[in-house]
Amino acid sequence: NAGVTQTPKFQVLKTGQSMTLQCAQDMNHNSMYWYRQDPGMGLRLIYYSASEGTTDKGEVPNGYNVSRLNKREFSLRLESAAPSQTSVYFCASSEQGWVNEQYFGPGTRLTVT
Amino acid sequence: EDKVVQSPLSLVVHEGDTVTLNCSYEVTNFRSLLWYKQEKKAPTFLFMLTSSGIEKKSGRLSSILDKKELFSILNITATQTGDSAVYLCAVQIQGAQKLVFGQGTRLTINP
Repeated sequence: NAGVTQTPKFQVLKTGQSMTLQCAQDMNHNSMYWYRQDPGMGLRLIYYSASEGTTDKGEVPNGYNVSRLNKREFSLRLESAAPSQTSVYFCASSEQGWVNEQYFGPGTRLTVT
Repeated sequence: EDKVVQSPLSLVVHEGDTVTLNCSYEVTNFRSLLWYKQEKKAPTFLFMLTSSGIEKKSGRLSSILDKKELFSILNITATQTGDSAVYLCAVQIQGAQKLVFGQGTRLTINP
């Protein structure tokens, strides 16, 4: 039982490049989330998926897109990376978003130069 | 706008001390408050609080919620170096399937 897994662990991009961050969970959770964490700012919600087939914007969605591929997988895409997107990205899942605690993946450290 | 504020932002104490971390919130429709511990990587769940005045306890850690004054505290007694971490507070909004996080408190325990 791996919990929440994320790939890659580290990534360096040049401004304007695109990439997709992958997230998968094996806990049969319905809800999945993408956060970014910047120094001194805690965790900020980018997008979430309350259930398979639905996605909604969070606090800081600009510059990102998401896909809930199936119940297990939720990907985050940066179409044209900017230095302001340098951050640590966490994926999380919960059984039902408004009932249970969220379980977090190990994070992806992304640097955009 | 929903807001969660933690204080202090940083705290350095000696092993064996007792610490109190604070979390205050202003949200439209409160459902629950959660505490997480973040060491090097992913945050790990500590407590979920939904009712005022009921203390949740796990070993040397305890937490309580005051829904009238809109805050929660996390206490750690007899601190150990392994308690060094960032402690995150988050609030669940009723009817919205998401958490709003505070900035975190960085706790450092010196031997």
